[in-house]
Amino acid sequence: DVKVTQSSRYLVKRTGEKVFLECVQDMDHENMFWYRQDPGLGLRLIYFSYDVKMKEKGDIPEGYSVSREKKERFSLILESASTNQTSMYLCASSAPGQGAYEQYFGPGTRLTVT
Amino acid sequence: AQSVSQHNHHVILSEAASLELGCNYSYGGTVNLFWYVQYPGQHLQLLLKYFSGDPLVKGIKGFEAEFIKSKFSFNLRKPSVQWSDTAEYFCAVGNTGKLIFGQGTTLQVKP
Repeated sequence: DVKVTQSSRYLVKRTGEKVFLECVQDMDHENMFWYRQDPGLGLRLIYFSYDVKMKEKGDIPEGYSVSREKKERFSLILESASTNQTSMYLCASSAPGQGAYEQYFGPGTRLTVT
Repeated sequence: AQSVSQHNHHVILSEAASLELGCNYSYGGTVNLFWYVQYPGQHLQLLLKYFSGDPLVKGIKGFEAEFIKSKFSFNLRKPSVQWSDTAEYFCAVGNTGKLIFGQGTTLQVKP
């Protein structure tokens, strides 16, 4: 059974803290993605990666960075958390080519910044 | 910029009613279209997909969607919903390896 796991289901952080969200996939997928999900806004792409050490900005990268040192792991970093980053964060992975669109999602991390 | 619009934000139906969720996209080139679903407490998962060919595509659990190029639409349908269809549904357009999602539609099916 394919699996994408995220390090925490719920996280509470203070404004200004540096926050790390970890995502691991066991499907040997090249592609990995980070989204945030907000009511009424759907899913918005923050960053994505098509290969190890590679990263590309999505639609809303401001205030975030990512790291992909190993193929199976893709980390999202909030350099200095702010209250407007309170959200549900979803990680996904997919195969290359046309398979890129069949994304497998993790359970999500609900982050609250106070 | 490409965008995807879902007109219905919250839909409430009784069991056995028919379902149609609207989805429109703004992109004039070749499109790859998808519907994803998130059941309560579960991961977001692919419901159905369209790349080319027959514009009427069938997915899991009796869902289908029709691609109408002239209307830039990819509406989701099911003839008779069940209580277990209660979920949030997302339409998405795929381009250059990325997905662009709509705002989502919450479907509540009353038993």
